[in-house]
Amino acid sequence: QKEVEQDPGPLSVPEGAIVSLNCTYSNSAFQYFMWYRQYSRKGPELLMYTYSSGNKEDGRFTAQVDKSSKYISLFIRDSQPSDSATYLCAMSRSYIPTFGRGTSLIVHP
Amino acid sequence: GAVVSQHPSWVICKSGTSVKIECRSLDFQATTMFWYRQFPKQSLMLMATSNEGSKATYEQGVEKDKFLINHASLTLSTLTVTSAHPEDSSFYICSARPPGENTEAFFGQGTRLTVV
Repeated sequence: QKEVEQDPGPLSVPEGAIVSLNCTYSNSAFQYFMWYRQYSRKGPELLMYTYSSGNKEDGRFTAQVDKSSKYISLFIRDSQPSDSATYLCAMSRSYIPTFGRGTSLIVHP
Repeated sequence: GAVVSQHPSWVICKSGTSVKIECRSLDFQATTMFWYRQFPKQSLMLMATSNEGSKATYEQGVEKDKFLINHASLTLSTLTVTSAHPEDSSFYICSARPPGENTEAFFGQGTRLTVV
């Protein structure tokens, strides 16, 4: 079993939809949880960074961490075609993150 | 957020030659930099952790003699792929972390290496 599981998709949604992206993990020692967005042939861009259970909101993005279930989510409200990218979850004990394989999101007009 | 610059963004080289990739933190000093490799539709796989002024720490299965890492200053780390082979073709990404606790790492834009 991989330490971090993430469905690769693709996930295709219409513009304006609410998108839910998820990851599960097995290592209860993980303390820091991140979501990255990666466009094709580009490096990942940090979207959200949390180190506690609960919700964190930033604009149209909400990150949710449930440590008891070892489950994290990223919600995107009012999705736009420009949100089409691969979204990687990552988590770490110290400062070296372990990445999920990424979910490909396609938002069509 | 902080800026990490990676150069070149793409490179094509012949089998048997060596290729150097640079990673620079432009607006902060990075005591630690990381090198990743990413195959198409796959996750980022950590290759090594680079600490300024000391030897890099390689992940299991990564050949240190093939992937030479030098972290000569607080703003520059280099990855040299020696005697490149077609199977080394991949997307190489560096990240740098500002000093201090609970700081996230920032990624470069990646280097696509094609070995022909």
